[in-house]
Amino acid sequence: DAGVIQSPRHEVTEMGQEVTLRCKPISGHDYLFWYRQTMMRGLELLIYFNNNVPIDDSGMPEDRFSAKMPNASFSTLKIQPSEPRDSAVYFCASSLRLAGSTDTQYFGPGTRLTVL
Amino acid sequence: QQQVKQSPQSLIVQKGGISIINCAYENTAFDYFPWYQQFPGKGPALLIAIRPDVSEKKEGRFTISFNKSAKQFSLHIMDSQPGDSATYFCAASYPSGTYKYIFGTGTRLKVLA
Repeated sequence: DAGVIQSPRHEVTEMGQEVTLRCKPISGHDYLFWYRQTMMRGLELLIYFNNNVPIDDSGMPEDRFSAKMPNASFSTLKIQPSEPRDSAVYFCASSLRLAGSTDTQYFGPGTRLTVL
Repeated sequence: QQQVKQSPQSLIVQKGGISIINCAYENTAFDYFPWYQQFPGKGPALLIAIRPDVSEKKEGRFTISFNKSAKQFSLHIMDSQPGDSATYFCAASYPSGTYKYIFGTGTRLKVLA
């Protein structure tokens, strides 16, 4: 398996622009997570989906952030309008919940976002 | 109650030494405690994990020690190698119904050759 795929790997944009980050989870996985990583706040869970349905978006910082999962193989995280404080590395992770098994989240390589 | 406190923030160890990273939590509802390893430019990857019904788990040179009464757990890396140089995150997971991780702030480990 190719693992979790994220695109783009790097994004540089100007304040006020719309940014869309993309994620393809591991085939067959039923959970998808979006995280943000910064030096100050570490790894923060933004939102997660189960079977394409958003379960918990309490970590989404504000209305400028939105996430969708139109099908089992694709998810997007959108920031509109972007601000310099959104600069961070955004990770997508996926997992498969099996009864009686341990939870392993598989992370993608991340998208490094820089908002000027 | 939702925090997982991790220390130290950074750690330098000589090759062959023991690296120890500590984490503490407050919420007794957490039921799964993984450690993730992250190399520069990569996403975190699961290293080892433990559930609170055991006090220790060992996989190769990596050991988790778990103290349920103290609400603390730690990662021990025996015979540390330069290839172990990475950032290590502890995490705690809520029970199956919510399936959320709370991550510690990370420990940057450097193993000197």
